[in-house]
Amino acid sequence: DAKTTQPNSMESNEEEPVHLPCNHSTISGTDYIHWYRQLPSQGPEYVIHGLTSNVNNRMASLAIAEDRKSSTLILHRATLRDAAVYYCILSPPTSGTYKYIFGTGTRLKVLA
Amino acid sequence: EADIYQTPRYLVIGTGKKITLECSQTMGHDKMYWYQQDPGMELHLIHYSYGVNSTEKGDLSSESTVSRIRTEHFPLTLESARPSHTSQYLCASNSGRSDTQYFGPGTRLTVL
Repeated sequence: DAKTTQPNSMESNEEEPVHLPCNHSTISGTDYIHWYRQLPSQGPEYVIHGLTSNVNNRMASLAIAEDRKSSTLILHRATLRDAAVYYCILSPPTSGTYKYIFGTGTRLKVLA
Repeated sequence: EADIYQTPRYLVIGTGKKITLECSQTMGHDKMYWYQQDPGMELHLIHYSYGVNSTEKGDLSSESTVSRIRTEHFPLTLESARPSHTSQYLCASNSGRSDTQYFGPGTRLTVL
């Protein structure tokens, strides 16, 4: 299973954009890139996912490098409620089980 | 919004007790999962199910057992709890048509 590498922690000021990087140099051609976040004392929640093209939704944007060996989750205006651990995960499209491998993620601290 | 529930949210019990952690989802998802997460650490898959009467062990060895008699219900049982079982247990589900997993709020278990 392909693995991902993320910085352990990042800080951002409130109302500023945040770029959370993820390296996945061993990604296969059909792996999807998923991002989840885990707020304190809660289960992870889905943020966004993509395959090749950049993706936008109401929560965030996902920028995928042309070679797909890295991606960046973009929070356009960080709020205090965005303080969480962010996980970048790969999954094949038809694994049958969608078994995620969670790393340690990036702990985002948002400063007021 | 995800409709996946876990009870209890918090449980403190003595060594040797038998416990069952409940997980239910009302989305009709066929795939369900149990993860174990120690504080500040990554999630590890301990059990998963493709559907009714289907259960498999995950990547992390666990002394717990699971059952899947109904689509919506995926309980986890510890026959004899020990302090080493102290952890957070997270349940998740997804449909066969999407690999986006929806997580419950978790059960924080403390074994004294």
